[in-house]
Amino acid sequence: DGGITQSPKYLFRKEGQNVTLSCEQNLNHDAMYWYRQDPGQGLRLIYYSQIVNDFQKGDIAEGYSVSREKKESFPLTVTSAQKNPTAFYLCASTPEWGKNIQYFGAGTRLSVL
Amino acid sequence: AQSVAQPEDQVNVAEGNPLTVKCTYSVSGNPYLFWYVQYPNRGLQFLLKYITGDNLVKGSYGFEAEFNKSQTSFHLKKPSALVSDSALYFCAVRDNDDYKLSFGAGTTVTVRA
Repeated sequence: DGGITQSPKYLFRKEGQNVTLSCEQNLNHDAMYWYRQDPGQGLRLIYYSQIVNDFQKGDIAEGYSVSREKKESFPLTVTSAQKNPTAFYLCASTPEWGKNIQYFGAGTRLSVL
Repeated sequence: AQSVAQPEDQVNVAEGNPLTVKCTYSVSGNPYLFWYVQYPNRGLQFLLKYITGDNLVKGSYGFEAEFNKSQTSFHLKKPSALVSDSALYFCAVRDNDDYKLSFGAGTTVTVRA
């Protein structure tokens, strides 16, 4: 899993609650990504950030928010507006935007209580 | 728009036999193609990529893939499978103009002893 650390490994959300997933990288990479993985659906892009203080919506951004205040950190908040949050969430990074090989963290599994 | 299809949800082979995992793609420009592997409750690990050049690409752990432009395919192969190759395999593609990756739904490989 290289130099990308995701925490916690498991997370439980109560109805109406916002939760935040942490993603930290020590690879000095400019670009970072958040994906959602559901069985049989592959990975879907939630948000991405090409550089610090910038981020863009991916294909399924509704109900999620992010920030990129530091180069090494790209936290994802799953808000109460996300009605089906149960999934495996993966954070990734690349040295530069458009540089091809993505390096992934070990993931956070989010479940709803 | 770009897309990837992995037509087989599961592939089962005996140890020592050849392993093939199929992938077809659709892009508007020249494709950048990737294979990743995921072990249970872990992030994705990069196996190999095709950008340009030789149509046969060699990667990690004895895997290789053949780019076929006329058939728009990028099948993953290993001449002699190991039990430790049992995992979930993802094909991914992007084209020249869009730096976001599109992932297939994944193929579960089971290698029996």
